[in-house]
Amino acid sequence: KQEVTQIPAALSVPEGENLVLNCSFTDSAIYNLQWFRQDPGKGLTSLLLIQSSQREQTSGRLNASLDKSSGRSTLYIAASQPGDSATYLCAVRLGTGANNLFFGTGTRLTVIP
Amino acid sequence: DTAVSQTPKYLVTQMGNDKSIKCEQNLGHDTMYWYKQDSKKFLKIMFSYNNKELIINETVPNRFSPKSPDKAHLNLHINSLELGDSAVYFCASSQLQGSYTFGSGTRLTVV
Repeated sequence: KQEVTQIPAALSVPEGENLVLNCSFTDSAIYNLQWFRQDPGKGLTSLLLIQSSQREQTSGRLNASLDKSSGRSTLYIAASQPGDSATYLCAVRLGTGANNLFFGTGTRLTVIP
Repeated sequence: DTAVSQTPKYLVTQMGNDKSIKCEQNLGHDTMYWYKQDSKKFLKIMFSYNNKELIINETVPNRFSPKSPDKAHLNLHINSLELGDSAVYFCASSQLQGSYTFGSGTRLTVV
């Protein structure tokens, strides 16, 4: 059974700092991995999708890496801003079939002005 | 706007009632899903459905039933609501090899 873990559960940083969020998964036979952002009381916003054949994806100040063999992904946020404050979720997909998306428990990020 | 939209956003109802949550996607995706986010913010799959196959998470009570009138819609019907059903329910959709797109959620409160 796939288990997805995110560490730390919560993180507070001063504005402008670079930071790394971690995601680990137990079954390395993944199809892809997706990072989401969830604001309080809101839905999930997709940030980055990394296919199993890729090592990293970048979007603006965000960079996500994937190391399938070790079962790890990191989300790097450069020059953090108060608007980055949210819960960040990673989710791994085991295959192209349905019911194959497994979510981590999330990291709650607070960027202090 | 292209999106996954679900209604209502908030739903407060009494125990024992039957309610439905609607979901529509205009992304042309093949598969739609319902997820439940509990009080600890953990997201868990309830159902997935494409035009050929319905997959039900075995832990979901049979009081919950998805109904899909067409490829772009997957509604969630709940019978005999219980206090423990209170949660945020998210609809989502995806293409075969693509990313998932989520709706903004429906906060259900059973009193």
